[in-house]
Amino acid sequence: NFLLTQPHSVSESPGKTISISCTGSGGSFASNYVQWYQQRPGSAPTTVIYENDQRPSGVPDRFSASIDSSSNSASLTISGLQTEDEADYYCQSYDRNNWVFGGGTRLTVL
Amino acid sequence: EVQLVESGGGLVKPGDSLRLSCAASGFTFSSYSMNWVRQAPGKGLEWVSSISTKSTYIHYADSVQGRFTISRDNAKNSLHLLMNSLRAEDTAMYYCTRGAPTTDFWGQGTLVTVSS
Repeated sequence: NFLLTQPHSVSESPGKTISISCTGSGGSFASNYVQWYQQRPGSAPTTVIYENDQRPSGVPDRFSASIDSSSNSASLTISGLQTEDEADYYCQSYDRNNWVFGGGTRLTVL
Repeated sequence: EVQLVESGGGLVKPGDSLRLSCAASGFTFSSYSMNWVRQAPGKGLEWVSSISTKSTYIHYADSVQGRFTISRDNAKNSLHLLMNSLRAEDTAMYYCTRGAPTTDFWGQGTLVTVSS
C-alpha cells in the first residue's frame, strides 16, 4: 500500500518561506499526480495545488509545489507567509484506484 | 459560481442507514467524476468513494466496501451516498468533491454521528 508521511507540524514567521514535505512509501509519485489541500480551522478543505504543481484560479502564486523522484517525495512551498496561511495542509495521491492522503501538517504562522 | 451543497447528515444508531446527498450547481455536473471524502472529528482526511461521469466506474475505500453505495443523477445534478450498517467509526464530516482523479472543489460538508 502507498503511504504518505507528512510532518505533524511546522511553524514560521510572517513573511518567511516554508516547505512542507510529503514522503511516499510503498508506491511512487512518478506514476501518480500529487494534490495539496488547505484546511483552515472550522472550514472545509480547499485545493491549493493539483497535478503536482498546478494552482487553481484564485490561489496566490506564493503557493508552489514540486516532486523529487529521487527521494519519492513531494513538497509544498509557501513564500511570503501570511497569518491567513495558518491551516492544516494535506498531500494526496493514488494507489491504484484509491485515493491516499497524508496525515496532514499543521502550519502555524507566528 | 460552483456550488456543492451536502445534506442528509444526522445522528443515527449503530446498524442504521443514512443517505447523503450533494446538490451541484454552477458547472456541467455530468462532465465531472465526483467523490465523497470524510473527516472524523479531530482527524485527517479519508477518501470514501468515487464515481465516474456516467457511473461506469465506481470505487470504494476498503473501510466502506460492501456497506456504502455511491450514485449520481445527472438529470438532477445530484450525488448520493447510501450508507448501511453504520458503525461508530463512520462518525465524520462527509464532503462532496468535484473531479477525479484531480479534485478541485469541495462542498462544506454534512456531519454524520453514529452513536447509541
